[in-house]
Amino acid sequence: LAKTTQPISMDSYEGQEVNITCSHNNIATNDYITWYQQFPSQGPRFIIQGYKTKVTNEVASLFIPADRKSSTLSLPRVSLSDTAVYYCLVGAGSGNTPLVFGKGTRLSVIA
Amino acid sequence: NAGVTQTPKFQVLKTGQSMTLQCAQDMNHEYMSWYRQDPGMGLRLIHYSVGAGITDQGEVPNGYNVSRSTTEDFPLRLLSAAPSQTSVYFCASRAGSYGELFFGEGSRLTVL
Repeated sequence: LAKTTQPISMDSYEGQEVNITCSHNNIATNDYITWYQQFPSQGPRFIIQGYKTKVTNEVASLFIPADRKSSTLSLPRVSLSDTAVYYCLVGAGSGNTPLVFGKGTRLSVIA
Repeated sequence: NAGVTQTPKFQVLKTGQSMTLQCAQDMNHEYMSWYRQDPGMGLRLIHYSVGAGITDQGEVPNGYNVSRSTTEDFPLRLLSAAPSQTSVYFCASRAGSYGELFFGEGSRLTVL
């Protein structure tokens, strides 16, 4: 299982770009990298997924270097509503592979 | 589609009692899983299933049983509840390989 390491917490002011990096040194060839967001008292929800290079959607970008041993979630111009815990998840759905979450990064956005 | 439905949302048990947390999904997802989340902590995988009739243990399986008789349902059983099992339980499912996980709203369990 690919273990992930993230910063425990981060603070940011509204309107700033936030980058959260996740380390996954033992990522396997068929593993994808997926990021989830969790608000208090709710289940996590999908933000973005990628395999290599850069992926962008309407809410975030995901940067993955060539060696794929880390990934960076980029949130442009954060607002107070982006205050949440962000999880990096590495794994493949094929076969009997469990999906194990790391400890996540608690992002606090300050006005 | 209702997505992933968990019942009950809240439950209080006494030590030694048994109960079943229900999880149902209407998306025809093969992969289903149960996580627990203690206050201020991350999610820990209890059990998971890659299809009907197939289950396997996650990180913290002790004290919990699961079964998967249908694609739609994945109940989690606590045979003899302990205070250490006080937590919020989340059920999640995904479609095939590499798909995103869809989570239920959670079941908050307190064991006295």
